[in-house]
Amino acid sequence: EIVMTQSPATLSVSPGERATLSCRASQSVSNHLLWYQQKPGQSPRCLIFGASTRATGIPARFSGSGFGTEFTLTISSLQSEDFAVYYCLEHSAWPYTFGQGTKLEIK
Amino acid sequence: EVQLVESGGGLAQPGGSLRLSCAVSGFTLSNVWMDWVRQTPGKGLEWVGRIKTQTDGGTSDYAAPVKGRFVISRDDSKNTLFLLMNSLKTEDTALYYCRVWMNKSDYWGQGTLVTVFS
Repeated sequence: EIVMTQSPATLSVSPGERATLSCRASQSVSNHLLWYQQKPGQSPRCLIFGASTRATGIPARFSGSGFGTEFTLTISSLQSEDFAVYYCLEHSAWPYTFGQGTKLEIK
Repeated sequence: EVQLVESGGGLAQPGGSLRLSCAVSGFTLSNVWMDWVRQTPGKGLEWVGRIKTQTDGGTSDYAAPVKGRFVISRDDSKNTLFLLMNSLKTEDTALYYCRVWMNKSDYWGQGTLVTVFS
């Protein structure tokens, strides 16, 4: 099973600033990597697939990068609605595995 | 509009069984692979299993913690996905979601809560 490790566990950023979240895989997952956003009481929502492609309806301020074992989610200018928990998910090999999440909070 | 609605959650004792359902609308179930994912405060998000389309063999794959105990099935004619959970353990307590990937995004239900306690 591939282990996904996200960092940091909590990130404090001011609205309007840039946020950078990291996800590392224990072995290569190629570009089979998704990023999710989850707000309290809601289901996860896919932001990025294929490591760098925005999902349908996702604003351009969200971008993903990386390949192999190192991945980054960047939110260019934080809006109030972006404060949430973010997860990465690899789907290169069964069973698919999630990272433990990064909580993005208002500074 | 794509919708997934889970039901069937509730209380169960260790060793007991529950069957979850996921009613879908807004797309053709027979054309897509479907997934079950669960979430707990302690372990976060965990993939439970998936079921392929009949065209792709209709088989299912399971995560190690549930393999041999859980069974995923589908009734495409009724637009419904199922998760039969047997030999329940306290660690199966979670919010269970059904999920589908299509059209460059994915769709989740609102989840159904399963609580296993003695």
